[in-house]
Amino acid sequence: GESVGLHLPTLSVQEGDNSIINCAYSNSASDYFIWYKQESGKGPQFIIDIRSNMDKRQGQRVTVLLNKTVKHLSLQIAATQPGDSAVYFCAEKSGTDKLIFGTGTRLQVFP
Amino acid sequence: EAQVTQNPRYLITVTGKKLTVTCSQNMNHEYMSWYRQDPGLGLRQIYYSMNVEVTDKGDVPEGYKVSRKEKRNFPLILESPSPNQTSLYFCASTPTSGSHTGELFFGEGSRLTVL
Repeated sequence: GESVGLHLPTLSVQEGDNSIINCAYSNSASDYFIWYKQESGKGPQFIIDIRSNMDKRQGQRVTVLLNKTVKHLSLQIAATQPGDSAVYFCAEKSGTDKLIFGTGTRLQVFP
Repeated sequence: EAQVTQNPRYLITVTGKKLTVTCSQNMNHEYMSWYRQDPGLGLRQIYYSMNVEVTDKGDVPEGYKVSRKEKRNFPLILESPSPNQTSLYFCASTPTSGSHTGELFFGEGSRLTVL
């Protein structure tokens, strides 16, 4: 598959454990945030989003937390599965400006 | 099936030989965009288009051209490729330009190597 980065931060978790992937964003005016998942050899895929008027949003097995005070975003994955192995990107947006992507974190799930 | 389709998926070419990477979406999306992805740099926007016949530069437009003659197609043109354009390229689309949502739908990527 395609390599998206040889020196990405890597999080290794055991199957069944919870994963927490962190992201620091840069623009205090950003009002919309998204997490994308990129599997090897594929394009990024939308996971979950959150607006700046919220501090938490839950999806299926995933939760996004937003701390505007410290400009920090996190993605929590419950009961991590082998299929969750991928690179995860956060992205921020201010108004109708374009998305700004982070460099990504590689999640490795081992048995 | 709703999708963004890019071609070719893999290409090795030589410096100066013009090439085009095609992108087509079947979701009737107004907004389309090209990104390049390089190790340690994340996704960087090359060009985008808010609608037919409307294109604009992104963060790294040098050495690239685009066109948007039809809503579904947004080809990326490298008139004279150079080795620093060796990268993984993604086309993406989203329903409405200026929308507050940022859910981009990405293609599978095109790996370009320029020798």
